[in-house]
Parts: sequence; structure tokens; C-alpha cells
Amino acid sequence: GQNIDQPTEMTATEGAIVQINCTYQTSGFNGLFWYQQHAGEAPTFLSYNVLDGLEEKGRFSSFLSRSKGYSYLLLKELQMKDSASYLCAVRARTYKYIFGTGTRLKVLA
Amino acid sequence: EAGVAQSPRYKIIEKRQSVAFWCNPISGHATLYWYQQILGQGPKLLIQFQNNGVVDDSQLPKDRFSAERLKGVDSTLKIQPAKLEDSAVYLCASSVLRGLKYEQYFGPGTRLTVT
Repeated sequence: GQNIDQPTEMTATEGAIVQINCTYQTSGFNGLFWYQQHAGEAPTFLSYNVLDGLEEKGRFSSFLSRSKGYSYLLLKELQMKDSASYLCAVRARTYKYIFGTGTRLKVLA
Repeated sequence: EAGVAQSPRYKIIEKRQSVAFWCNPISGHATLYWYQQILGQGPKLLIQFQNNGVVDDSQLPKDRFSAERLKGVDSTLKIQPAKLEDSAVYLCASSVLRGLKYEQYFGPGTRLTVT
């Protein structure tokens, strides 16, 4: 079967660093994506990893290890506006996107 | 560039009625997706088009859901007849390959309530 696991909820303090983990088991692998979704809004694209290693984009970084079926999203210098759900998705065989259930991040002042 | 457009944004219908959603992807994006997102869950792929051909519709309840993408641009998703469990947000997305990176962009979604 195809499965993507990520924690349901996380809480962190403004200005801190938080790491959201994602593990996956899919039929085929053509890249891993992270999306941010604020309540009542559509997901917005954050990052894409297809090779092992770290991709950095401003305050957000994403890491991939294909051999371990593992990724994480790192958010630095947390801001209140970062409170949202973070979705991990894998582009599997036939280019189908499979999404996890999302991690609800709450940033506290 | 303009984003993915969807309409309507909200729809309330009674069970057993029919409903249709429309999507216009980002210009030049060959791949179009319809997702169903139930509250508190991640999006679930219903159907994926490459130009006007279906790539994957394995999770589309074909007894009541149908989708088409005429001329490889706009797409419509129809539910007939609707059930209470179809209450969800229906997201349309399109994707493009930029260099070696795929990017997928979502529309604002249609929030469907079936009563």
C-alpha cells in the first residue's frame, strides 16, 4: 500500500525553530513536496525535493533521504503567520500525488 | 501569471441533487488534477489529466462522479447524485516542470455542503 505519515499537531514559540517530519512508503518515487495550508484556504507550494539532501529557501528548508523514505521541513525564526497545516506529498508512479493528512502547527507568542 | 481559477467558491445542495464545478488551470500547464479534501484530512486525488487524456482516475467514484477536460484546457467535475459524505472542498490544481523541478499550484477550491 501507499502511506505517508506525519505528526498530527505541533506547537512552537514565536522566534523558535521547528522540524516537521514525514515518512513515506509509495509505489515509485518522483519527488517529495511540502505545502502550507491556512485554514479555509488552498494549499500553497513550499518546496520540492527529488535528490537526497537539503534544499533551503529563506526561512524554510526541506530535507530528503530516499533510502530511508524520510523528509523533514524546517521552519526557522517562526512567526505567528506560520500557524497553518503543513502537508507532505509524494509524487509516486504515474506522477500521482499522494498527500499525508497534514501537521497542524500552532505558533505561540 | 494568473493562478488556477475555480467556480463556484461555495455550493450548498440537497442529497440526490447534482452539481458541477469548473476549473481553468494556469496557462501552459498540461497536467490538471481534481482533489477532494475532507475537513482535517489531506487532499485525496480524484482524477488526473495530461492534456485532455486521463492519467489516473482510480479513486474517482465513477458511479456518481465524472470529469472531463475538453481541448486540454478547462475542466469540469460533476457529481450526480450527491451524497452527504460528498461534503468537502474540491480542489483543482495544475502542474508544470521547470527545469528539473515540478511545481503544482492549487486553485481556491469549491466548498460543497450536501444537506
